[in-house]
Amino acid sequence: QVQLVESGGGVVQPGMSLTLSCSASGFTFSRYAMHWVRQAAGKGLEWVAVISYDGDTKIYADSVKGRFTISRHSSNSTLSLQMTSLQSDDTAVYYCARARDTGWYPDQLELWGQGTMVTVSS
Amino acid sequence: AIQMTQSPSSLSASVGDRVTITCRASQGIRNDLGWYQQKPGKPPRLLIYGASKLQSGVPSRFSGSGSGTDFTLTISSLQPEDFATYYCLHDLNYPFTFGPGTKVDIK
Repeated sequence: QVQLVESGGGVVQPGMSLTLSCSASGFTFSRYAMHWVRQAAGKGLEWVAVISYDGDTKIYADSVKGRFTISRHSSNSTLSLQMTSLQSDDTAVYYCARARDTGWYPDQLELWGQGTMVTVSS
Repeated sequence: AIQMTQSPSSLSASVGDRVTITCRASQGIRNDLGWYQQKPGKPPRLLIYGASKLQSGVPSRFSGSGSGTDFTLTISSLQPEDFATYYCLHDLNYPFTFGPGTKVDIK
């Protein structure tokens, strides 16, 4: 079954770190660029980061640059998002998503996980 | 970064109505635009890519048009399951940017 399953969300204090994971199955993980997108409660979607199919290129939204690190492990088809120096406005549901087509050309997001909630609060 | 706007921010419509949502980019993005539907508590669902190409499995009552800076999503005959929030997303280059969303609810 083609799917993405996120994990690792939780409640953390401001300034702390958290790592999210996304387990992929049912497709050749190593051929697709992968993304993180987040959504604060009652708000719109915010694109966070992308990693190329081979892991060589990583691009971030300005709002998380220098604090978040995206990575991937093809050996176990897992995408990760390491988040440091967390702030209250990082509180959101975090979705991992797969590009529609293989390769590195920018493409729409065809496959989404169900999301994992991150709450930053003291 | 490219900025995306949508109008209206919300609309009320009845089953069977024709609904049109507009998305505008701050600079030309060719036809590198997609449309998503999101229902409460669910992830977004890709409806349209390449501005006008229907994603597999999406009903034909959904259609997209436009290029450059102005784009439109049209639902030809609104169905009960179409009440949701709709977002546009440009994929011309990185960083991607979503529009702020349009909520479609029942009149």
